[in-house]
Amino acid sequence: SQQGEEDPQALSIQEGENATMNCSYKTSINNLQWYRQNSGRGLVHLILIRSNEREKHSGRLRVTLDTSKKSSSLLITASRAADTASYFCATDEDGGSQGNLIFGKGTKLSVKP
Amino acid sequence: DAGVTQSPTHLIKTRGQQVTLRCSPKSGHDTVSWYQQALGQGPQFIFQYYEEEERQRGNFPDRFSGHQFPNYSSELNVNALLLGDSALYLCASSLPTGYYEQYFGPGTRLTVT
Repeated sequence: SQQGEEDPQALSIQEGENATMNCSYKTSINNLQWYRQNSGRGLVHLILIRSNEREKHSGRLRVTLDTSKKSSSLLITASRAADTASYFCATDEDGGSQGNLIFGKGTKLSVKP
Repeated sequence: DAGVTQSPTHLIKTRGQQVTLRCSPKSGHDTVSWYQQALGQGPQFIFQYYEEEERQRGNFPDRFSGHQFPNYSSELNVNALLLGDSALYLCASSLPTGYYEQYFGPGTRLTVT
């Protein structure tokens, strides 16, 4: 079953614009992670935010986490054509410390040059 | 430092056959998880191996089995293949708790005809 649900399902923007993707989840978590996937290949880890953190930055990425609303957002600033990919949020379950990840269906981002 | 490797890259099998997929984890990682990703969906957790034992399992039938070797590499076996088993199979490695990110391999694309 899916834990996270990304919104929107698809997003098309121009190069240089910012892209925002949202994720909602259902249960308590230890952490939330964002991954990128290019054209059905392997997933690339982008950023991990722990349940006691509210915001985290990595380069052009900014992630927020609101555990009271069970939601997270990923902001990509100054987007590039190379950012075109599918983006997934993934959560574990609090108490499920073995770390099996539960993924949403992803947001498909298209950045037009 | 080699990342997660998987073999083969692509595989075509006939319904009813058996298949074995292989994964070598990132150096320093001792935990291996397997995921199935159907077209247009997020990855779904199959099972996780740690210390050569299956530590956790998702909602997959017994036709899906695995193994972890002393060098931490792992195999995924699927018996009595069904058309619905056609998917991208992803292997991920990590440290043994849920507090760390998972590193994914490029995947094996399995097509069942």
